[in-house]
Amino acid sequence: DIVMTQSPLSLPVTLGQPASISCRSSQSLVHSNGNTYLNWFQQRPGQSPRRLIYNVFNRESGVPDRFSGSGSGTDFTLKISRVEAEDVGVYYCMQSTHWPPYTFGQGSKLEIK
Amino acid sequence: EVQLVESGGGLVQPGGSLRLSCVVSGFTFSSYHMHWVRQAPGQGLAWVSRIENDGSSLTYADSVKGRFTISRDNAKNTMYLQMNSLRADDTAVYYCARDNISPGDFWGQGILVTVSS
Repeated sequence: DIVMTQSPLSLPVTLGQPASISCRSSQSLVHSNGNTYLNWFQQRPGQSPRRLIYNVFNRESGVPDRFSGSGSGTDFTLKISRVEAEDVGVYYCMQSTHWPPYTFGQGSKLEIK
Repeated sequence: EVQLVESGGGLVQPGGSLRLSCVVSGFTFSSYHMHWVRQAPGQGLAWVSRIENDGSSLTYADSVKGRFTISRDNAKNTMYLQMNSLRADDTAVYYCARDNISPGDFWGQGILVTVSS
C-alpha cells in the first residue's frame, strides 16, 4: 500500500498570512498513463470533506484561487496564499494512482493563531 | 444540484449487520463510479470500497473484505453497503462519494455507525 505522510500535522497561522502543507508518498504517484493522481481535501469542523485540488494542481470549481497545488513524483504541496477564517479545518492529501487501496494522509489541522 | 444522502446507520451489537444506502440526485448516477469512505471518531479518512458505474467491478479495503458488500441499483439512483460481522473498530461516520477522475468530487453528509454492546 502507498503510505501518504503529511507535515505539519498542526498548522497555526495568522489571518492573512500564507500556509503550506507537505504531502509525501512512499512511491511515485505517476501513473502509467502519465497522469499523477494526487488530490487535496478540506474538512471544515462538523462538515463532510470537500475536494479542493485534483491531479496535483487542478482546482475544483468554486475553490478560491488562494489555494494552489504543486509537486511531482513523491513530493506535493498545498499552499494557501492568504489564510482566511473560513479556511480553518483539516486538510488531507489522497492518492488515487495505485489502488486498491486509495490512501489518505493523516490530516493537517489548520487553526488561526 | 448534485446531492448524495446516506441513511441506514445506527447502533448495532458486535457481530451484527447493517445496510447503508446512498441516494443520489442531480447527475446521471449510472455514469459514475462510486465509493464509501469512513472516518472513525476523531480520526482521519479511510477508503472502504469502490463500485464501477455499471456495478461490474467491486473493490474493498482489506479491513472490510469478506464482511462488507457494495452494490448499486442504477434504476433507483442508489448505492448500498451491506455490513456484516461488525466489529467495534467499524465504528465511524460513513460517507458516500462520487468518483470524477478520482474519488470525492462530491460527498454525502455522512451517517454514523456505532458498534457496541
